[in-house]
Amino acid sequence: NAGVTQTPKFQVLKTGQSMTLQCAQDMNHEYMSWYRQDPGMGLRLIHYSVGAGITDQGEVPNGYNVSRSTTEDFPLRLLSAAPSQTSVYFCASSFRDTHSYEQYFGPGTRLTVT
Amino acid sequence: QQQVKQSPQSLIVQKGGISIINCAYENTAFDYFPWYQQFPGKGPALLIAIRPDVSEKKEGRFTISFNKSAKQFSLHIMDSQPGDSATYFCAAKKGRETSGSRLTFGEGTQLTVNP
Repeated sequence: NAGVTQTPKFQVLKTGQSMTLQCAQDMNHEYMSWYRQDPGMGLRLIHYSVGAGITDQGEVPNGYNVSRSTTEDFPLRLLSAAPSQTSVYFCASSFRDTHSYEQYFGPGTRLTVT
Repeated sequence: QQQVKQSPQSLIVQKGGISIINCAYENTAFDYFPWYQQFPGKGPALLIAIRPDVSEKKEGRFTISFNKSAKQFSLHIMDSQPGDSATYFCAAKKGRETSGSRLTFGEGTQLTVNP
């Protein structure tokens, strides 16, 4: 199994540009989520999904859109990039209702908005 | 509003010493408390987790101590090694939440173990 994969690994955008961060998992996990990691602020939840066709907002959803058309894929779209969105983005997945609730994280996408 | 507060922000210990990282939470609906370990350039990975029905859980050199009345839990790393140098995150999950496995993370602690 490849686990959770994310592309691209690095990205530089200009203010106002849009882009999509890709996330895929091959573990048949129902739950998928996007976090951003900023120094001193931990991991903050952007959006999450409990299954195909179902998404919801996390703590910091503004400026981001998601969709979940398949179990495997959960792309994150930046509509109009802003410097405040400079961050490292992690996608994670897990089974929805298990004893361990372990989340598996991808390797991250480092985004810089100039 | 930070529902899980973690301290210290950074920690330096000598090889063989004990590393202690503390977390405090506010919401009594939390019922699952994991710790994640993150190495530079990698995503976080589950290290150890505890439920509030026990006060301590040990896995090798890593121990979680849990104090339900104080709403605090801590990670102890015994015989710390340079390979333990990483960022550690505590987290918490609400029970019976319709959002499934949604976790709330602490701010993170950067641990450095000097040889």
